[in-house]
Formats: sequence, structure tokens, C-alpha cells
Amino acid sequence: QVQLQESGPGLLKPSETLSLTCTVSGGSISGFYWGWIRHSPGKGLQWIGYISYSGSTFYNPSLKSRLTISLDTSKIQFSLTLSSVTTADTAMYFCARVRTGAYYFDFWGQGTLVTVSS
Amino acid sequence: DIQMTQSPSSLSASVGDRVTITCRASQGISNSLAWYRQTPGKAPKLLVYATTRLETGVPSRFSGSGSGTDYTLTINSLQPEDFATFFCQQYYSSPLTFGGGTKVESK
Repeated sequence: QVQLQESGPGLLKPSETLSLTCTVSGGSISGFYWGWIRHSPGKGLQWIGYISYSGSTFYNPSLKSRLTISLDTSKIQFSLTLSSVTTADTAMYFCARVRTGAYYFDFWGQGTLVTVSS
Repeated sequence: DIQMTQSPSSLSASVGDRVTITCRASQGISNSLAWYRQTPGKAPKLLVYATTRLETGVPSRFSGSGSGTDYTLTINSLQPEDFATFFCQQYYSSPLTFGGGTKVESK
């Protein structure tokens, strides 16, 4: 059974850069797309982006200018970097695996809460 | 962007009840719709994809239907683990978008 676990700082100040890592266990990282989703009270669930096993990235246009998703196959991890955060970036962040050939998510992590506050 | 309007936002039900949740897309999504269940502190779980297809291991009390812009998740005989939040997701076009969620509470 594939399992995903998010990790990263829980508290940031405005203008700082958010960095989160998702560690995958119980399966291969190769051959799949891997994504990030967030859930905030104000905006609900929002797709952030995903990365293919070959490193191609696909981002939500609303976040694209601040966003980088990368993949480390040797560590079986993928990461999210979001620059210049504001309070609007406060959310529960989830990592997930994308079902091959479609763009829904078949395995999710439990999520990590990120709060942006001065 | 395709907007997904989910209703109701919350409902009260009892174990054994039949529950229906609806998602309406702002344009046709050609059955490219998935449903998930989330309980606090746990990873969201994929229930249904391609509108009607049950994910492996998901109990048969769950079923999905719909076409065009209107889609439905039905839970026959609600179980204790179904007191949770359910949400839909369209994957017809980018950006992927989700419904606002339906919280199923115990009556």
C-alpha cells in the first residue's frame, strides 16, 4: 500500500518561502505523477500542481509565478516551494499520487498545516 | 476555470440512511469526475472515479452517477465511518478543481 507523508515548517512569516517535502513509501516513485493540493477555510480545496516522473511540471496558473515542484527519485521524495507567502497561503497542504492516465488522486498524505502569520 | 458547486454543504443522517450528494460543473466535464471521503486527521480516500467506477476496495454501498454537468454520489446504508466530509473533483480540464465539500454529521 502506497503511503505518503508531508513534512515541513508549520509556521511562516509573510514574505518567507514555504518548503514542503513528501516522502513516498510502499511503492515506486517512477512511472507516476505526484501532486500537491491545499485546503483552506476561505478557498476550499485547491490544486497546486504536479510533477511527472520525468520531471515535467504542471502548475495552477494562480500560483505558477511563485511555485516550484521538484522530484528526488533517489530519496523517493518530491517537494514544493512557494515563495513570498501571505496569510492567504495558510492552509492544510496535502501531497498525493496522480492516477496514471488520468488526473485524479489515488493516494494522499494526511496533510500538514501551514500557518502564515506575522 | 471550471467551477464545481457541491450540495448540500452539510447534512444530518443516521446509520443505515441513504445519502445523496450532488456536484454541478460550470460546463460539461465528460464524466471526468472523482469523489473522495475525508475524516479529520486522516488522508482523503478515493471512492469513485470516472463518475461511476468504484475504486478497488471501496464498499458497494457507494455509487456514482451523472453526465454532462450534473453528478451524484449515493451512499446506501450509511455506516459510522461515513460521518465525514465528501468532496468531488473534476479532471476534465486544467486547472483541476474541487467542490466545496459536504459534511455528513450524525443526526
